[in-house]
Amino acid sequence: SQQGEEDPQALSIQEGENATMNCSYKTSINNLQWYRQNSGRGLVHLILIRSNEREKHSGRLRVTLDTSKKSSSLLITASRAADTASYFCATSRGGATNKLIFGTGTLLAVQP
Amino acid sequence: DADVTQTPRNRITKTGKRIMLECSQTKGHDRMYWYRQDPGLGLRLIYYSFDVKDINKGEISDGYSVSRQAQAKFSLSLESAIPNQTALYFCATSDDGTGINDYTFGSGTRLTVV
Repeated sequence: SQQGEEDPQALSIQEGENATMNCSYKTSINNLQWYRQNSGRGLVHLILIRSNEREKHSGRLRVTLDTSKKSSSLLITASRAADTASYFCATSRGGATNKLIFGTGTLLAVQP
Repeated sequence: DADVTQTPRNRITKTGKRIMLECSQTKGHDRMYWYRQDPGLGLRLIYYSFDVKDINKGEISDGYSVSRQAQAKFSLSLESAIPNQTALYFCATSDDGTGINDYTFGSGTRLTVV
């Protein structure tokens, strides 16, 4: 079963606007990661936030984590057409296994 | 060269055929994983391995087997392929999760079973 769900399933915005995607998960975690996937090919790691962190930034990306609500959000500011992709959150409980459990993804379309 | 290399990139095979997907890595990671992606379902874990002597089933291991031939090589086999195994398959490696938590994915193998 999937660990989490992402909301919305699809998002269409204009270039320059901000895009916000949300992720909810079910169990306690060690960390949560966001990935990007272009056209159903390889996954690119965007950012990792640990369970004791509340917010993290990387360039135009801002991730928040609320462990009490078991939710995270990914904000992409000043979006570009090249940001068009699917975005996935994935959680890890850490430990020896360190396996990731993925959400169902948000398909972002940025219109030029 | 990519850190995690999957071969083949694309494969079409017939129902009932045996097929092997291969993965090799230059990350030096002990942990390796095989995931499957279906449209709208994200990635699901098939098998994972801590080292050459340690193989573990993931959530959807039925119909698959794996072999960890060396620290750097982890292959996934479909003994008798069926159409609902048509999917995008990813290999990944990771560190032990206590450091920077380096998780690296291959580019994927798109498998079609007809």
